[in-house]
Amino acid sequence: ETGVTQSPTHLIKTRGQQVTLRCSSQSGHNTVSWYQQALGQGPQFIFQYYREEENGRGNFPPRFSGLQFPNYSSELNVNALELDDSALYLCASSFLANYGYTFGSGTRLTVV
Amino acid sequence: EDKVVQSPLSLVVHEGDTVTLNCSYEVTNFRSLLWYKQEKKAPTFLFMLTSSGIEKKSGRLSSILDKKELFSILNITATQTGDSAIYLCAVLTGGGNKLTFGTGTQLKVEL
Repeated sequence: ETGVTQSPTHLIKTRGQQVTLRCSSQSGHNTVSWYQQALGQGPQFIFQYYREEENGRGNFPPRFSGLQFPNYSSELNVNALELDDSALYLCASSFLANYGYTFGSGTRLTVV
Repeated sequence: EDKVVQSPLSLVVHEGDTVTLNCSYEVTNFRSLLWYKQEKKAPTFLFMLTSSGIEKKSGRLSSILDKKELFSILNITATQTGDSAIYLCAVLTGGGNKLTFGTGTQLKVEL
């Protein structure tokens, strides 16, 4: 059974650029959530996808968008990058919420 | 707005000590409370608590939830250097689609 895998592990982008982060969910999991974790903070909920539809969104602007594919993998896209977008981006997958969430190792994004 | 508060923010103990980490919450549509351990990047799951007063235990770690007073504690007995990590408390709310995390407790266990 494979866990949650994210790519890339590290990324450096320039302010104003666009970025795509990828996540492969754990086998058997049909729900993917994305979280942003700034240094010294707990993860903040960005959004969740269930069966390829957005299923809840946190307080993030529309330049944060996502996709879920038929194989339940997912992408997080961020447009017009700002310096404050520098953070660890975590993907979490689950089958049913009552069984908890499994997190990937994250993508460390640095915006300069 | 849903809120989860953890205390202390950081803690330094010696190997063999017992520690208690606290988590209080104010949320709407509570479903469950989860504890995670974060060493470098990926938070790893420790416990999910749904019912009040029922202790969950795994080795030297244990946790309990009080839904009346809206808090949970995580106990670690006979601490080891490998327990050094950030411990995150999160509450699952609504339709189960959102985890609200606290800031975490940074635990350092010294020899």
